[in-house]
Amino acid sequence: QKEVEQNSGPLSVPEGAIASLNCTYSDRGSQSFFWYRQYSGKSPELIMSIYSNGDKEDGRFTAQLNKASQYVSLLIRDSQPSDSATYLCAVNRYSSASKIIFGSGTRLSIRP
Amino acid sequence: DAGVTQSPTHLIKTRGQHVTLRCSPISGHKSVSWYQQVLGQGPQFIFQYYEKEERGRGNFPDRFSARQFPNYSSELNVNALLLGDSALYLCASSLITSDYNEQFFGPGTRLTVL
Repeated sequence: QKEVEQNSGPLSVPEGAIASLNCTYSDRGSQSFFWYRQYSGKSPELIMSIYSNGDKEDGRFTAQLNKASQYVSLLIRDSQPSDSATYLCAVNRYSSASKIIFGSGTRLSIRP
Repeated sequence: DAGVTQSPTHLIKTRGQHVTLRCSPISGHKSVSWYQQVLGQGPQFIFQYYEKEERGRGNFPDRFSARQFPNYSSELNVNALLLGDSALYLCASSLITSDYNEQFFGPGTRLTVL
């Protein structure tokens, strides 16, 4: 079992719709969770971090965390073509070092 | 403020050679982490340094080593290069190291081993 699992996609969403990206993790002791966006050929860019159960909103992005279910999600409202990218879910497994464990990413495609 | 910088941008080496990659963190950040990303996968943790000390090491062979300097910049060294070392090498900067710190990535160094 992978430590962080994501559906690889591609996930195709029409422009203006809500894109929903999901992630599960295996280490119940994990305390912090991140979503990174990565455009092809570029490095990952941090878009959301979440530490407590519930929802956290930032502009068009909402991160959701359920520690009991070991589940993290990212919602993108009013999807734009510029949102087309790979989205990486990441979990901080801290033990003397902040070892960020990444999923393999979900490729999102926004169709006009 | 400048973000994380890495050099070089691209590098081509042959098997058996040695390579040194460099990273400068965001001003004020004291922790640097190194990751390897191969095509189609998420980044994999190699090392974390905080205040010039190694705080964590991932599942990579001893051919990989790193260090952090008094100005918090860092080098990643890879000896005896293998074809499988071809990847994007990412440096991430964070204020501290803890359960909750955010890490910010540099642009990466694309290493090709022939």
